[in-house]
Amino acid sequence: EAGVAQSPRYKIIEKRQSVAFWCNPISGHATLYWYQQILGQGPKLLIQFQNNGVVDDSQLPKDRFSAERLKGVDSTLKIQPAKLEDSAVYLCASSLRAGVSYEQYFGPGTRLTVT
Amino acid sequence: GESVGLHLPTLSVQEGDNSIINCAYSNSASDYFIWYKQESGKGPQFIIDIRSNMDKRQGQRVTVLLNKTVKHLSLQIAATQPGDSAVYFCAENIFRGSSNTGKLIFGQGTTLQVKP
Repeated sequence: EAGVAQSPRYKIIEKRQSVAFWCNPISGHATLYWYQQILGQGPKLLIQFQNNGVVDDSQLPKDRFSAERLKGVDSTLKIQPAKLEDSAVYLCASSLRAGVSYEQYFGPGTRLTVT
Repeated sequence: GESVGLHLPTLSVQEGDNSIINCAYSNSASDYFIWYKQESGKGPQFIIDIRSNMDKRQGQRVTVLLNKTVKHLSLQIAATQPGDSAVYFCAENIFRGSSNTGKLIFGQGTTLQVKP
């Protein structure tokens, strides 16, 4: 079975520029997650989708971050404008359902460097 | 607040020895815990999980122990191999009753270095 796909794998931008990340979850997975992982730390949930609806976006900096999952499959995460502290790896994960016992499968991540 | 932490940032072991990675959590309401392995340039990979109604669970070469009294979790890796070198995270999956969904909260990670 194909895993979670993410692109691009690496991105370097200057502060105040915008950037977008793309995620394609495992086929049939209803739940999609975006995490931010700062170097040396564990991943932190930014937003969780159930199909195309948002379950939790409490830790998403909504003044600059946005995410969508229009058709309940692929998702994009956008940052506009970027700040230096946004430098991190952005991980996408998916699970069959949203319950606690459903395993989350992670993609390889997009490493963002803001200069 | 909610937090899941690990005791040591780095653990160095000899190939063939057993490894023990520790984790302390603070949310006494959590009832589901997971250990992940993250290799360089990859996303976290599920290793083993345990529910709060258990105190031990075994997998292939791995064992997770849960002590709810002191809110402590550990991962034991038997006969550690070079391929086990990675960062290990414990995470607690918190049940959101209002939406019947789970939310993962990760600790900071322990880097396991296996010396040949």
